[in-house]
Amino acid sequence: DAGVIQSPRHEVTEMGQEVTLRCKPISGHDYLFWYRQTMMRGLELLIYFNNNVPIDDSGMPEDRFSAKMPNASFSTLKIQPSEPRDSAVYFCASSRQFKQFFGPGTRLTVL
Amino acid sequence: KNQVEQSPQSLIILEGKNCTLQCNYTVSPFSNLRWYKQDTGRGPVSLTIMTFSENTKSNGRYTATLDADTKQSSLHITASQLSDSASYICVVIPAGKSTFGDGTTLTVKP
Repeated sequence: DAGVIQSPRHEVTEMGQEVTLRCKPISGHDYLFWYRQTMMRGLELLIYFNNNVPIDDSGMPEDRFSAKMPNASFSTLKIQPSEPRDSAVYFCASSRQFKQFFGPGTRLTVL
Repeated sequence: KNQVEQSPQSLIILEGKNCTLQCNYTVSPFSNLRWYKQDTGRGPVSLTIMTFSENTKSNGRYTATLDADTKQSSLHITASQLSDSASYICVVIPAGKSTFGDGTTLTVKP
């Protein structure tokens, strides 16, 4: 299995632009997580899905952030409009039971 | 105040030495506690997962312990290697949102 796949690996955009991050979980996993990591705040859980249904989105910082999981093999995290403080590494992870497998992350820079 | 506190913030040891990283938490109850290793520029990798009823869990040279009474966990690394240089993150997973520690940065020097 190729593991959790995220794209793009790097994204540089200007403030106000829409950003879409993509994730393909490991086949057969029924949980999908989105995390954000910054130097200041460390690793934060943004939202997680179970069987494509959002279970807990309390970590989503504000309405500018939205996440979808239209099917078991694809999820997106969208930021609209983006702001410089959104600059971070965004990780996607999937799991079937306890153990989570993380993707390589998307490094987002908002200028 | 963070509900999961890790210590030390950073640690430098010589190759071959042992070390212990600490994680104190106030999150309660919880379903499981995890230790992750994160290499610079890469995603976290799960080292150990313990439910609240487990006291110890090993993964090669990594051994995690859990004391649910004192709400403390530790990660012990035996015979450290240069490749152990990384950030180690403690995560407590309750019924709701996961709570992360700030991590301990370990540097192993030759």
